[in-house]
Amino acid sequence: QSVLTQPASVSGSPGQSITISCTGTSSDVGGYNYVSWYQHHPGKAPKLMIYEVSNRPSGVSNRFSGSKSDNTASLTISGLQAEDEADYYCCSFRSSGTHWVFGGGTKLTVL
Amino acid sequence: EVQLVESGGGLVQPGGSLRLSCAASGFTFSSYWMSWVRQAPGKGLEWVANIKQDGSEKYYVDSVRGRFTISRDNAKNSLDLQMNSLRGEDTAVYYCARDDRYSWEFWGQGTLVTVSS
Repeated sequence: QSVLTQPASVSGSPGQSITISCTGTSSDVGGYNYVSWYQHHPGKAPKLMIYEVSNRPSGVSNRFSGSKSDNTASLTISGLQAEDEADYYCCSFRSSGTHWVFGGGTKLTVL
Repeated sequence: EVQLVESGGGLVQPGGSLRLSCAASGFTFSSYWMSWVRQAPGKGLEWVANIKQDGSEKYYVDSVRGRFTISRDNAKNSLDLQMNSLRGEDTAVYYCARDDRYSWEFWGQGTLVTVSS
């Protein structure tokens, strides 16, 4: 069981927007602005999409955006494209024990 | 170009040991924290361990603390993970990744570790 809670799956049609939530506690998501999001296609290396809650690395489409409210972080993908279909993971720094915790992952299906 | 190349994975019996290595290039290795992250079959990503630039600080996920040891050789631009007392639940693809801005932008392609008799 993962420390951060994500929906197991989300889906949307091309052009639509979807949001993936990531719920933790005040010891991780709520306590630090160190939430990141990763896109993972099976068999490939994960790709960083968002760092420090809402920042995009160079080269990542501005269709991807991140936010946080209290103990829940969110990843929004607008203008869905077929290539966005993948697994998405959130990650947060944690103040005790294990330093970095991931969510269980969300499978995005583009219909 | 940043490159991270893992090696050392394979099949090992429960209770056995394995040493993973990660060769880094394309950046000043000694300037960055480095991490190992794994993914078990059909499961999500799990952070395993990380190490400070000079090796003076090391942190581990609870499930591997006392069994795994992370180390680095800045002269050789190399990151290692010594895994002892391996268990079935350690079966996973292990990735090395560069810590930056409290996240991991650069990852290797991963090396598969299978713990089975």
